[in-house]
Amino acid sequence: ETGVTQTPRHLVMGMTNKKSLKCEQHLGHNAMYWYKQSAKKPLELMFVYSLEERVENNSVPSRFSPECPNSSHLFLHLHTLQPEDSALYLCASSQDWGSSNQPQHFGDGTRLSIL
Amino acid sequence: QKEVEQNSGPLSVPEGAIASLNCTYSDRVSQSFFWYRQYSGKSPELIMSIYSNGDKEDGRFTAQLNKASQYVSLLIRDSQPSDSATYLCAVNSLYFGNQFYFGTGTSLTVIP
Repeated sequence: ETGVTQTPRHLVMGMTNKKSLKCEQHLGHNAMYWYKQSAKKPLELMFVYSLEERVENNSVPSRFSPECPNSSHLFLHLHTLQPEDSALYLCASSQDWGSSNQPQHFGDGTRLSIL
Repeated sequence: QKEVEQNSGPLSVPEGAIASLNCTYSDRVSQSFFWYRQYSGKSPELIMSIYSNGDKEDGRFTAQLNKASQYVSLLIRDSQPSDSATYLCAVNSLYFGNQFYFGTGTSLTVIP
């Protein structure tokens, strides 16, 4: 079983729709992350959760709403998105937040297209 | 100024050659450095980490770190077509809230 699983793999939605992205990690990690990956741009950190508490919110528009019900699951709720939000959304986890030498492990991402 | 800079490529090398991927970073107090490989449509996969100056070897991969020059590189020896991917450099600094900063990635093509 893969370490970090994301669903769905692909999502097409209109600007007025509401949808959610799901991430599940099977690594026993305590920190989880949402990243946005757009073409020709570096990975952009969106949110960080440590032990189910949000610790970072990098000026992300309120149309993106994260939820972390437990240390294994992370959601990203989407509503009223804009065409520029079309991107690959990656979930990652690491053993702990605050330890610089711990790498992050990524899921395969959700390819989101906004019509 | 970008926190992490990489040449986007594409970089093409013949099979069996050495591929050299470079990365520079702006934060002098960065402590940890990582190389990820990302195949098209797949997730970034960690292939190397390095924390102190010098070289670190793992199989065909060698990471090199020079903190004085704020430079980290990845060498791939005996390049194989299966090494064709985008390579992401990531830098972590506790000074900036333990954030990972990623480069835009270098696209590598190994020609059979």
